[in-house]
Amino acid sequence: AQSVTQLDSHVSVSEGTPVLLRCNYSSSYSPSLFWYVQHPNKGLQLLLKYTSAATLVKGINGFEAEFKKSETSFHLTKPSAHMSDAAEYFCVVNPASNTGKLIFGQGTTLQVKP
Amino acid sequence: DTGVSQDPRHKITKRGQNVTFRCDPISEHNRLYWYRQTLGQGPEFLTYFQNEAQLEKSRLLSDRFSAERPKGSFSTLEIQRTEQGDSAMYLCASSFVSGIPGQYFGPGTRLTVT
Repeated sequence: AQSVTQLDSHVSVSEGTPVLLRCNYSSSYSPSLFWYVQHPNKGLQLLLKYTSAATLVKGINGFEAEFKKSETSFHLTKPSAHMSDAAEYFCVVNPASNTGKLIFGQGTTLQVKP
Repeated sequence: DTGVSQDPRHKITKRGQNVTFRCDPISEHNRLYWYRQTLGQGPEFLTYFQNEAQLEKSRLLSDRFSAERPKGSFSTLEIQRTEQGDSAMYLCASSFVSGIPGQYFGPGTRLTVT
């Protein structure tokens, strides 16, 4: 079965330092992978999507993620954290090409300290 | 604003009552999805439509739950004989059939069953 595992439930960084949010996936084929962000009391927002066109995917707000098939990973990074980045981040997989449903990870809470 | 909208935003009901939620997708989108999110968890897939047709339902969707999308535009999700375990955020999303660039989520309806 397709699934995603977010390796950290909580990550804390200082403003201006790099962000790394880790995600591993399990899949019997080359999946579509996403990162979504959820700010308090706001809806889920799509950050970026991987669909096999390029292994390094650039998203909004300076975030990017690299698909590594050999490591079954799709980690999210940002060179320099901003206070507004504090939110819940979800790694997400589309389990099959013939379905629209998404499978979400448990989420990682990103705290940004001044 | 042309995003996904949901109504109501909050609903408090007593156990045993029926509730109905509405979702209006982005007008150009053919697909509409329902997810449920409980506190501290990632969203879980419930069901999705392509135009009027309900293409997939999760095993989470018990017989007390029913969803419709009668004219391929807005959708309703009804929960009959609500239970305390139904308390959650109910999220709606929409997308093109291709899934590109991704699913766009509404703000959600928070249900509290007392």
